[in-house]
Amino acid sequence: AQSVSQHNHHVILSEAASLELGCNYSYGGTVNLFWYVQYPGQHLQLLLKYFSGDPLVKGIKGFEAEFIKSKFSFNLRKPSVQWSDTAEYFCAVNLDNYGQNFVFGPGTRLSVLP
Amino acid sequence: DAGVIQSPRHEVTEMGQEVTLRCKPISGHDYLFWYRQTMMRGLELLIYFNNNVPIDDSGMPEDRFSAKMPNASFSTLKIQPSEPRDSAVYFCASKGGTGGYGTEAFFGQGTRLTVV
Repeated sequence: AQSVSQHNHHVILSEAASLELGCNYSYGGTVNLFWYVQYPGQHLQLLLKYFSGDPLVKGIKGFEAEFIKSKFSFNLRKPSVQWSDTAEYFCAVNLDNYGQNFVFGPGTRLSVLP
Repeated sequence: DAGVIQSPRHEVTEMGQEVTLRCKPISGHDYLFWYRQTMMRGLELLIYFNNNVPIDDSGMPEDRFSAKMPNASFSTLKIQPSEPRDSAVYFCASKGGTGGYGTEAFFGQGTRLTVV
């Protein structure tokens, strides 16, 4: 079965620290990749997405992600986190030959200490 | 557009009762998804529709769960009878317009269901 894994369950950082959250998927075909963020008590919101072209994608709030096809990875980065980035982050894959389903990773909880 | 609208936001019900969750997708979107989120299992796809037709319901946990989409602007997820293990946050999401793969899903605020 196709799956998405995220390397860390819970990450704790101090403000201004750099962030990298790992995401890997298990599918050899064409994929579309997404990072969603869920702030406490809220719904999922799109941070950024990759469909094709430049593998380095920039999203909202200073986030970026890099698609490395050979590693089946789509890691999320931010050079300097803020307390307001405290949230849960989900990587998701839309598999081109698998219908319109989005397969979500288990999520990584980010806690940023002021 | 107001986004994906779900109701109710919170539902507390007793075991054995019927529960109906409602969703209004974004106008023009032709795909609608129902997800369930729990601490133990994360985000699980229950079912999705394309142009009001159920395409994949393999995630529906049991016959107690049913979903309908009578028209392009309304969908329901029904649990009958409800059980405590159904307690979760249920999200509705919609996407599309082009029918292609290169679009993201937009999520509603969710319905927090508690079955006591």
